Amino acid sequence: AQSVSQHNHHVILSEAASLELGCNYSYGGTVNLFWYVQYPGQHLQLLLKYFSGDPLVKGIKGFEAEFIKSKFSFNLRKPSVQWSDTAEYFCAVTTNNNDMRFGAGTRLTVKP
Amino acid sequence: EPEVTQTPSHQVTQMGQEVILRCVPISNHLYFYWYRQILGQKVEFLVSFYNNEISEKSEIFDDQFSVERPDGSNFTLKIRSTKLEDSAMYFCASSSQRGLRGLSGANVLTFGAGSRLTVL
Repeated sequence: AQSVSQHNHHVILSEAASLELGCNYSYGGTVNLFWYVQYPGQHLQLLLKYFSGDPLVKGIKGFEAEFIKSKFSFNLRKPSVQWSDTAEYFCAVTTNNNDMRFGAGTRLTVKP
Repeated sequence: EPEVTQTPSHQVTQMGQEVILRCVPISNHLYFYWYRQILGQKVEFLVSFYNNEISEKSEIFDDQFSVERPDGSNFTLKIRSTKLEDSAMYFCASSSQRGLRGLSGANVLTFGAGSRLTVL
C-alpha cells in the first residue's frame, strides 16, 4: 500500500547535537514532499518543501532536507539542535492523484 | 499572514450526538481539507473538497461524516452520531492548488489550529 514511513518514533538529543529524521515514501511517479512541525499545543506549520530542482532543500530555523529519489527518501536534518526544537515532526507527500498524506510523526525532545 | 481559523477550539459531547466543526479557510484558497489526529497518533487524511463537492476521501470518512461549504466562507465537518473513537483533534486546511498542478508552492496546505473533540 502507498504510505509515508517515519522510522523514528521518539528521538531524544542534547542541545547542539546533530539531528537526522528519516522519511520514506512508497508512492510512484512525481511527488511533492514536505516536512511539517507541530510545537506543543500548536498547529501544524510548514518547515520546508520540495517540488523539483536541487534535491537539497533549506527550510526555516536551520532545517534542511535531502530528496534521494532512488531511495524514496526525504530525510530532515539540522546540524545543531536547540531546546526550542522540541516538537513533533511530520513528513508528508502529495502526488497528482492523492491529497497530502502524513507519516506517523517523530517526537523530538531536546534536553537543555 | 493569512490564517485558517477553526471553531470551536474544544468541544465535549455525549456519544451519539451530532457535532459540527467549523473552519474559515484562507479567502483566495479553493481547496479545503479535513484531517484528524487521535491523541498520540498520526495525522490522518479525511477528505478534500473543491467546487462544492468532495474530491477525495479516505476510508475513515464513512457515512457518519459529511462536509459542506454553506455560505462561501465557512467549511464545515459534521459528524452525525459521534462515537468514542471519534475523539481527536480535527484540523482544517486550505490551499490554492491541489496535487502537483499549479505554481510551485501553491499546493502547500495551510492548517488551522485545530478543534479538539472529546466524546464521552
